[in-house]
Amino acid sequence: TQLLEQSPQFLSIQEGENLTVYCNSSSVFSSLQWYRQEPGEGPVLLVTVVTGGEVKKLKRLTFQFGDARKDSSLHITAAQPGDTGLYLCAGASPGTYKYIFGTGTRLKVLA
Amino acid sequence: NAGVMQNPRHLVRRRGQEARLRCSPMKGHSHVYWYRQLPEEGLKFMVYLQKENIIDESGMPKERFSAEFPKEGPSILRIQQVVRGDSAAYFCASSPQGANGYTFGSGTRLTVV
Repeated sequence: TQLLEQSPQFLSIQEGENLTVYCNSSSVFSSLQWYRQEPGEGPVLLVTVVTGGEVKKLKRLTFQFGDARKDSSLHITAAQPGDTGLYLCAGASPGTYKYIFGTGTRLKVLA
Repeated sequence: NAGVMQNPRHLVRRRGQEARLRCSPMKGHSHVYWYRQLPEEGLKFMVYLQKENIIDESGMPKERFSAEFPKEGPSILRIQQVVRGDSAAYFCASSPQGANGYTFGSGTRLTVV
């Protein structure tokens, strides 16, 4: 059974601070995604990474896929209250379109 | 261009009743996925369907749960004889053929009383 462990599980920071969220597994993934979910809504896709070592930037968010395609990180620069939410990573095994979701990181950014 | 539509948004059922959750994928999307989310937890995969076919149902409980995606109409997740432990948010996602990345619906929140 594949497992995606995210850390930290909870994170509360002040506006303007930087943070990094980690997503780790012992399995290799063909692609890995990051989603953000707000209360009462479905997850919204932020990014998909497919190449080992790949780095993608989305405004203040930087996503990295590990060289071995087993882990990923999400770095947020100068966090804002609007970044508050549940961040989920999800990985797909080679040859499948089924994504397994991580345990989630619940971020709260205080004004 | 409507997104993934799930209905109802909220569903209350008494123990022993049946729950039917509907999901209309985005236009042009032929792959549908159902996930379950318990409070304060991540999403657990249930089933992956294409039109008229179940591709992977490894996350579905062996009893009481079934899913279909007919040639015409929405995908249906059916839970028979619901129990309190079935209370959760059920999310549907869709994707086009061969694409990475899902589009999720807003979910159906099932409460069993």
